Amino acid sequence: KNEVEQSPQNLTAQEGEFITINCSYSVGISALHWLQQHPGGGIVSLFMLSSGKKKHGRLIATINIQEKHSSLHITASHPRDSAVYICAVSRGSQGNLIFGKGTKLSVKP
Amino acid sequence: NAGVMQNPRHLVRRRGQEARLRCSPMKGHSHVYWYRQLPEEGLKFMVYLQKENIIDESGMPKERFSAEFPKEGPSILRIQQVVRGDSAAYFCASSPTLARDTQYFGPGTRLTVL
Repeated sequence: KNEVEQSPQNLTAQEGEFITINCSYSVGISALHWLQQHPGGGIVSLFMLSSGKKKHGRLIATINIQEKHSSLHITASHPRDSAVYICAVSRGSQGNLIFGKGTKLSVKP
Repeated sequence: NAGVMQNPRHLVRRRGQEARLRCSPMKGHSHVYWYRQLPEEGLKFMVYLQKENIIDESGMPKERFSAEFPKEGPSILRIQQVVRGDSAAYFCASSPTLARDTQYFGPGTRLTVL
């Protein structure tokens, strides 16, 4: 079993829909990261969180430490949100990341 | 402040040659991470370096792979005697003083071994 599991693996949505991507982890962590990988391959860090909730524009990330679970929400989705969303965790003080396999999101106009 | 820079962006090597990948972290960042993304697979940690020190190389194959982050200049990931299985995207990320800060990723180097 992978240390970081994401669901769903693939997600197709219509423009304007509310989207949720889930991430569960089985190890102790110091922080959880949400990343976005564009079709061209570039990776952008969206959030880093260790508790509670963070919001940036139409993106919201939450984490429940007790349940070892995080969600990434996208409100009013748009075709430009189409990308692979990757959950990753860091452990201890060193910070190297353990990645989930990613969720491929496609938003149709 | 320029972002994390990696070069080359694309590298083609024949089996048995050496591949040298470079990463210049963001200005002021002293922590560098190398990750590998094999085709159709997720990202995997390879090595974590600070200036002049390898802190954690537990994700790096024991043979043929080495990494350095000298006092001056970029971090280098070196793959000797490349094989087809080394074909992958190699990403570098950097973070500021604290290892638990947000990591900023470079655009990656796509290595193809013929």
